[in-house]
Amino acid sequence: DIQMTQSPSSLSASVGDRVTITCRTSQTINSYLNWYQHKPGKAPKLLIYAASSLQSGVPSRFSGSGSGTDFTLTISNLQPEDFATYYCQQSYTTPAITFGQGTRLEI
Amino acid sequence: EVQLVESGGGLIQPGGSLRLSCAASGFTVSSNHMNWARQAPGKGLEWVSALYAGGNTYYADSVKGRFTISRDNSKNTLYLQMNSLRAEDTAVYYCARDVYDTNGDHFDCWGQGTLVTVSS
Repeated sequence: DIQMTQSPSSLSASVGDRVTITCRTSQTINSYLNWYQHKPGKAPKLLIYAASSLQSGVPSRFSGSGSGTDFTLTISNLQPEDFATYYCQQSYTTPAITFGQGTRLEI
Repeated sequence: EVQLVESGGGLIQPGGSLRLSCAASGFTVSSNHMNWARQAPGKGLEWVSALYAGGNTYYADSVKGRFTISRDNSKNTLYLQMNSLRAEDTAVYYCARDVYDTNGDHFDCWGQGTLVTVSS
């Protein structure tokens, strides 16, 4: 099984900040890495797919990079609505995809 | 508008059965790969099961032999039949549409989830 390690597990930031979340996999997954935003009681939302492609309708302050085993999600100019939990997901082993453990972004 | 709405969750005793439904609108379930995922209290997201457009089904090891994924094309609805439920199956269950292309899979549409609580 591919192990996924997200860091940090939680992060405090302020409106206007730039933050970076990292996802590392135990073996190479090429660019089969997606990022989701999840707020309590809401449907998870796809932000980035294939490591760096911005999902339609997602603000450009969200960006993704990386390939192989190391990936990052960067949020520039944090907005109040960005405070949520973020998950990475690998689809290299589809259909048995796996998620990272999540990063909680707090004010 | 593409939308998924789950239903069928509730409180069930260990060993019991429950069927979850996921009603889709704005697209055709049978033409898409569909998935169930879950989030246990205080935990992260976990993939549970997939039903591909061609009819192939897949399960996480933790639910294999107990859960069955299916769809009703006439109702444009995805299901998850859960049998022999255990306390560790307690979670919010989400259905999600799976886009599969040369970039790999990604879940571009999710429902808001339905809570399943397994407890005596």
